[in-house]
Amino acid sequence: AQSVTQPDIHITVSEGASLELRCNYSYGATPYLFWYVQSPGQGLQLLLKYFSGDTLVQGIKGFEAEFKRSQSSFNLRKPSVHWSDAAEYFCAVGARRTGFQKLVFGTGTRLLVSP
Amino acid sequence: IAGITQAPTSQILAAGRRMTLRCTQDMRHNAMYWYRQDLGLGLRLIHYSNTAGTTGKGEVPDGYSVSRANTDDFPLTLASAVPSQTSVYFCASRSGTWNTGELFFGEGSRLTVL
Repeated sequence: AQSVTQPDIHITVSEGASLELRCNYSYGATPYLFWYVQSPGQGLQLLLKYFSGDTLVQGIKGFEAEFKRSQSSFNLRKPSVHWSDAAEYFCAVGARRTGFQKLVFGTGTRLLVSP
Repeated sequence: IAGITQAPTSQILAAGRRMTLRCTQDMRHNAMYWYRQDLGLGLRLIHYSNTAGTTGKGEVPDGYSVSRANTDDFPLTLASAVPSQTSVYFCASRSGTWNTGELFFGEGSRLTVL
């Protein structure tokens, strides 16, 4: 079964600085990988996803993520953070065989943006 | 605006009571899901439905039941609520095929069981 780890519970970044949120997964084959964002009191919104192909994935709101098979990672990056990016971010991993029935979410990383 | 509607937004419930959380989508997605979100545990799948008339158990199904009489509605029922079911519940639907696509989430139902 697949699993996912987000090692950082909280991260604080200055507005305008770059951001990297870490995500490590465990799965024997090539996984499906997702990053979701959750603003306070809201549901989750998809930022980007990786199914196959180019390992550098572009998403909405200026985010990108890179699938690194050798490191079992799918870290989320943004070159310049805006105050509106303050939210909770979830990485998720799925298996090709079971699709969304077995989608596993990480515990989340809360991003704080300082002025 | 197309999307997923959940009701109620928030509810306080006495232990032992029966409660149904409603979920309706207008995107004509075949697959729907119920998750619970707990601090430090992320989202965990309770039940899912790949198409109207079928349902399946997720990671944490005990104490919950679902039905899928039609494409649009996917209610979640707690037959006899317990305090450990205090959580935020999210309904989601999936676009695309079973092994591709994207999840769309509702805004959640906060349930407190006393």
